[in-house]
Amino acid sequence: DAGVTQSPTHLIKTRGQQVTLRCSPISGHKSVSWYQQVLGQGPQFIFQYYEKEERGRGNFPDRFSARQFPNYSSELNVNALLLGDSALYLCASSLPQGSTDTQYFGPGTRLTVL
Amino acid sequence: DAKTTQPTSMDCAEGRAANLPCNHSTISGNEYVYWYRQIHSQGPQYIIHGLKNNETNEMASLIITEDRKSSTLILPHATLRDTAVYYCIVRVADGSSNTGKLIFGQGTTLQVKP
Repeated sequence: DAGVTQSPTHLIKTRGQQVTLRCSPISGHKSVSWYQQVLGQGPQFIFQYYEKEERGRGNFPDRFSARQFPNYSSELNVNALLLGDSALYLCASSLPQGSTDTQYFGPGTRLTVL
Repeated sequence: DAKTTQPTSMDCAEGRAANLPCNHSTISGNEYVYWYRQIHSQGPQYIIHGLKNNETNEMASLIITEDRKSSTLILPHATLRDTAVYYCIVRVADGSSNTGKLIFGQGTTLQVKP
């Protein structure tokens, strides 16, 4: 079975631009979460979506937004990019099965903002 | 804020057992302990999780103390490919059965040496 897939793998943008990152969950998984991982730190939670509804949001500015589609895939959008947005963006999917559902991560999208 | 404490780094000889400790003294009764690992620049990989009882799967064993304030991840026969950052996470449930963001700390960098 295919795991979580993310596209693109790498991306280079300049300050002020906008970026869209994409995620396809494991087949049958209905929940998608997004995380940001800057160099040298652990991943930080950005959003969680379930059945196209936002179920959780981390401490990120409104420049960050996301949505989930009927096929459960998801997009993360970041507007007005800053140098500090350079990071590995991770998507994780889960069934879910209550509070114990396990999240499985994709390989990530490496975003570099120049 | 991370709710777990892990050593920054550990070494292990190839073929020996790697024992990675984690303190989670403020864990609540309905919170699970999850372990993930991240090999350089890849997405985190799920290893194992548990609530009260010890757990074992094909990758590792998880030993949770009776008071649940600490746990140990055991890789029974470490190989060079087990070199990674290991994250111990207490699963946060936001009150809805369909949320549960993961809060990553700094993790333990395990170096398996020949």
